[in-house]
Amino acid sequence: DTGVSQNPRHKITKRGQNVTFRCDPISEHNRLYWYRQTLGQGPEFLTYFQNEAQLEKSRLLSDRFSAERPKGSFSTLEIQRTEQGDSAMYLCASSFGGTINEKLFFGSGTQLSVL
Amino acid sequence: SQQGEEDPQALSIQEGENATMNCSYKTSINNLQWYRQNSGRGLVHLILIRSNEREKHSGRLRVTLDTSKKSSSLLITASRAADTASYFCATDARQAGTALIFGKGTTLSVSS
Repeated sequence: DTGVSQNPRHKITKRGQNVTFRCDPISEHNRLYWYRQTLGQGPEFLTYFQNEAQLEKSRLLSDRFSAERPKGSFSTLEIQRTEQGDSAMYLCASSFGGTINEKLFFGSGTQLSVL
Repeated sequence: SQQGEEDPQALSIQEGENATMNCSYKTSINNLQWYRQNSGRGLVHLILIRSNEREKHSGRLRVTLDTSKKSSSLLITASRAADTASYFCATDARQAGTALIFGKGTTLSVSS
């Protein structure tokens, strides 16, 4: 069990650029989640997968955000045409479960700064 | 959207004292979970309590759940400086297909 791995740890980009983050979950976990967190706030749900199927996407998520989980393994989160309001910590988590959300294992996050 | 609301937002205590944090939520749940986050790091799972349970213990942690009041509390006994962190409750709503939703958290400071 090597834990949930996120890359990169930090990303600085200019407004209008596209960025992509990667998450490698714990290998036997079938569920993978993306959350966003700003300073002083709790994690805000973005989207989650069960195996390769994207089961839910937050209504707050604009069309500039897209996530994939090919073959039910690692996942990528892409933000197109970044805006300063996208600056946040992007957290990935994984778990093993069916229809109920069990204990989540979080990665250390990717800190995005949009200049 | 955030279903859980923690109270207080911030708590400062001395080492050895007990710390109590509360969480209120809005909809029926399958389970409620508590997580801890040290500054700038990912979250770490502390304890999960299911809707048919009323109390659960893990080491110095005690969690209670009152589904009639839609509330939970986390008690940390004999706190240590190393307990300084933010604590979040998260709810698994009974509505099918929803992800775990987190509250805004309680920031705990334990001074020696």
